[in-house]
Amino acid sequence: GAVVSQHPSWVICKSGTSVKIECRSLDFQATTMFWYRQFPKQSLMLMATSNEGSKATYEQGVEKDKFLINHASLTLSTLTVTSAHPEDSSFYICSASPPGGPTGELFFGEGSRLTVL
Amino acid sequence: QKEVEQNSGPLSVPEGAIASLNCTYSDRGSQSFFWYRQYSGKSPELIMSIYSNGDKEDGRFTAQLNKASQYVSLLIRDSQPSDSATYLCAVGDSGNTPLVFGKGTRLSVIA
Repeated sequence: GAVVSQHPSWVICKSGTSVKIECRSLDFQATTMFWYRQFPKQSLMLMATSNEGSKATYEQGVEKDKFLINHASLTLSTLTVTSAHPEDSSFYICSASPPGGPTGELFFGEGSRLTVL
Repeated sequence: QKEVEQNSGPLSVPEGAIASLNCTYSDRGSQSFFWYRQYSGKSPELIMSIYSNGDKEDGRFTAQLNKASQYVSLLIRDSQPSDSATYLCAVGDSGNTPLVFGKGTRLSVIA
């Protein structure tokens, strides 16, 4: 399958700081990437759709000023959690669908586990 | 609001048995259906996709889709302890749209 990579895998930060998570498609170009968040024992919840060269589309209830998404190239999307607080602690996972592949087939990055102290 | 429902489990089966995982979805217009496996602390891994009614087999896995009943299932034959994980059902529209996930069913295969 296609390869999507995230960095960092783990991050611990103090409350009030900002954290940037990178998501790269390694073997294909992704005009669209999706950012999901997963709390313990919960399912994946879509946060936003990242579009290369344009603004991200956020799901209802997700603060766009808090979760900044930048998709500056066809292989890189970044999620910045600004002024992080303990309630932002979660597992953040990006995903993308290779062009020309089966409809809707998403491949996920390794995920980034954020802990805010 | 599109919804995907799964029994949270845990579903326990003995090694070598068939594990049956079920999923229903609310959006009748859904076009694509997926099963992902997620080990604890890891991100989901795609194991099966299905787009048309009927069965699709891949090794020990068989996905079944019934659009009229808005139902999709996953059968795992000859279950192994390494199959123990949470299985997520995901449903999507046509094209490059985000998937809607169920809460997952936790499977435990007992050796």
